[in-house]
Amino acid sequence: EAAVTQSPRNKVAVTGGKVTLSCNQTNNHNNMYWYRQDTGHGLRLIHYSYGAGSTEKGDIPDGYKASRPSQENFSLILELATPSQTSVYFCASGLNAEQFFGPGTRLTVL
Amino acid sequence: DAKTTQPDSMESTEGETVHLPCSHATISGNEYIYWYRQVPLQGPEYVTHGLQQNTTNSMAFLAIASDRKSSTLILPHVSLRDAAVYHCILRALSGGSNAKLTFGKGTKLSVKS
Repeated sequence: EAAVTQSPRNKVAVTGGKVTLSCNQTNNHNNMYWYRQDTGHGLRLIHYSYGAGSTEKGDIPDGYKASRPSQENFSLILELATPSQTSVYFCASGLNAEQFFGPGTRLTVL
Repeated sequence: DAKTTQPDSMESTEGETVHLPCSHATISGNEYIYWYRQVPLQGPEYVTHGLQQNTTNSMAFLAIASDRKSSTLILPHVSLRDAAVYHCILRALSGGSNAKLTFGKGTKLSVKS
């Protein structure tokens, strides 16, 4: 069964609304990551975590917060969603640089 | 700033052996070469990695030049399922901020039947 799961798989939000994307991993990895992927671009790192209670800024953290309440769970929070945050979001857990990705969440902000 | 250079696209036919090149002329001594692939509507999938010696696993063979300035991912007997975007990524295994992967546009491999 899948070791990294994401919910929801699809989400439509309104501008200015709050959105929470959830990720759960059963790999028991310390490191977890949130990326976004836009058409014609590679994945870009938003936030990552080294373990429960830790969050670090990635390359494009503006407009996003992250929360790591436990080893298994890592959330990405958009406090005030904007249309520019329409994208596909991938969560991953990792052991060194071998990262295991979830299936993605397609977010549309209207 | 991109540290690896890959062709935008390559084409192949089922059953062929495919060689995907990657140039990394400024690679540091502590950087590993990682390969990931991604099919549409799915997250990236780890393929292989190496430091200096050639490596092989069930998915691919990674050939690394002796000066480490280039590498080639070799896919034997490709099938339609191997059609994907292949990413060559450098990463130092020193933890901290180096834990992240930086994805470029990769090489889009098309496979014809």
